[in-house]
Parts: sequence; structure tokens; C-alpha cells
Amino acid sequence: GQNIDQPTEMTATEGAIVQINCTYQTSGFNGLFWYQQHAGEAPTFLSYNVLDGLEEKGRFSSFLSRSKGYSYLLLKELQMKDSASYLCAVNVGGGSQGNLIFGKGTKLSVKP
Amino acid sequence: DTGVSQNPRHKITKRGQNVTFRCDPISEHNRLYWYRQTLGQGPEFLTYFQNEAQLEKSRLLSDRFSAERPKGSFSTLEIQRTEQGDSAMYLCASSLATGRAEAFFGQGTRLTVV
Repeated sequence: GQNIDQPTEMTATEGAIVQINCTYQTSGFNGLFWYQQHAGEAPTFLSYNVLDGLEEKGRFSSFLSRSKGYSYLLLKELQMKDSASYLCAVNVGGGSQGNLIFGKGTKLSVKP
Repeated sequence: DTGVSQNPRHKITKRGQNVTFRCDPISEHNRLYWYRQTLGQGPEFLTYFQNEAQLEKSRLLSDRFSAERPKGSFSTLEIQRTEQGDSAMYLCASSLATGRAEAFFGQGTRLTVV
């Protein structure tokens, strides 16, 4: 089976830094994605890791360790608009290497 | 291109009726995904196409669910004999099959079974 785990909820303060962790145990691995989803809206792409290490993109960074089955999303200089659910997704391969499986998401609340 | 389009946006149906949803992906994308999402949960994988071929189907998907992508462009998801437990947001996403291949999502179809 495919297992992707994230904390259910997190709370942080405006201007602070928050790290959202994701661990996975999957039948295959072709890359890991982070998505942001505001309430009532569709998920939107944030970041992608396929090799070990850190990918930085403005206020958002994502880290991957394939040997540990672990990733995190780091959000810096938090803003109120960052209140959303953050979804970790793994391309687990399979037929034509394209099966994309999501975790349950982490609901982040940013407080003033 | 305006992105992934899903129709209808909302559907209310009586238990036992059949419903069909449509998804129009981004035109150059050859991968197309269907997911189901309930409140407070992440998207749950239902099925996935590459061009017109249905390559993966979740074991959670009962025989009442069927999806097609006849010419490798738009896709339809049909639910037969709907049950109250089918009430959810049905999301469609599309991607390229090469490179980073991030999925772009449509706005979803919210199904309510009464």
C-alpha cells in the first residue's frame, strides 16, 4: 500500500517560520510535490523535489531525503494569507510512471 | 488556454440516480487524474489516464464508478446508483508526462446526494 503522513494541524504566528513534515512509504518514487489549498479552492503547486536536498523558491523551501522517506516544507516570514492546507504528494510510479498520491494535508493557521 | 475546466460545478442528485461529470484538461497535457476530496481530507486518488489509456484505478473505486477519456482529450466520470457516501468534491487534474510533471487542478464538481 501507499502511506503518506503529515500532521493534521499546525498553528504559527505572523512573521515566524514554520516547518511542515511529510513521511512516506510507497511502492515507488518518482518525485515529491507540495501543494497549497485554500478552503473551498483547488490545490495549487508549490514545489517539487526528486533528488535529495533543499529547493528554495522565495519564502518557500522544500527538502527531501529519499533514504529516510522524508520531506519538509519550510515557510518563512509567514503572512496571514498563508493560512491554508498544505498537501504532500508522491509520484509513486506505476503504469507509465505517473500515479500521484496525496497525503491528508496539514491545516496551517497563521495568527497575528 | 484557461486551465483545467470541470462541469458542472455543483450537482445535487437523489440517491440511486446516475451522474456524469466532465473534465477538460489543459490542451497539451496527456496525463489526466480524478480525485475525490471530503472536508478536511487530502485528495483521494480514483483513477489516472495517459492519453486515452486508463493506467491505474484505485481499489477503493467500486464498480459503480467508471471513467473514460475516449480521444485522449476530455474525460468523463460516471457514478451509477449514487449513495449518500458519494457526496464529495470530485477534482480533476492534468499534467505533462515528462519533466517535473506537476498536476494542475480544476475547480472541482461538488456532488451532494440526498
